Amino acid sequence: AQSVTQLDSHVSVSEGTPVLLRCNYSSSYSPSLFWYVQHPNKGLQLLLKYTSAATLVKGINGFEAEFKKSETSFHLTKPSAHMSDAAEYFCVVSDYPYGNKLVFGAGTILRVKS
Amino acid sequence: NAGVMQNPRHLVRRRGQEARLRCSPMKGHSHVYWYRQLPEEGLKFMVYLQKENIIDESGMPKERFSAEFPKEGPSILRIQQVVRGDSAAYFCASSPTYVADREQFFGPGTRLTVL
Repeated sequence: AQSVTQLDSHVSVSEGTPVLLRCNYSSSYSPSLFWYVQHPNKGLQLLLKYTSAATLVKGINGFEAEFKKSETSFHLTKPSAHMSDAAEYFCVVSDYPYGNKLVFGAGTILRVKS
Repeated sequence: NAGVMQNPRHLVRRRGQEARLRCSPMKGHSHVYWYRQLPEEGLKFMVYLQKENIIDESGMPKERFSAEFPKEGPSILRIQQVVRGDSAAYFCASSPTYVADREQFFGPGTRLTVL
């Protein structure tokens, strides 16, 4: 079965500095990987997805992620943090072909300091 | 072009009561998934349904929980005789019939509080 590990439960950055949220995955199949963001008491919004096309994936709000098969990683980055980026971020892998469910990491809470 | 709709957004129940959570998928989507988010945790898969069929219920607790997705109307997640440990956010997601890239679209969630 597929799984993901988010390496940091909390990340704190200053506004205007780069963001790096780390994610490693385990998959015996060519994975589909996603990053979702959840603002407090809100639903989940898809930031970006990797589905075996380009390994560098660009998402919304300036976020991007790079799929590295040799390192089994899918880290999320942004060059310059904004206060509105403060939220919880989930790295997610599809359970395909074992099933259609999504398997979530435990989440990383991003704090942005002014 | 409405997204996934869930209602109610907030639900308060006393121990022993029943909770019914509703989910209307996006137009044209025939696959529905329910996930639960306990406090301070990530989302955990509960059940995957297509119209009138439960495809995968491997994440559903063995007792008190049931789900359906009838031919007409929304999907329902039903929790009987709720206990305090059922307090959580319950998210519904949907996907189109042809799941080329396996993306799921999430609703805003129902936050259940059991007193």
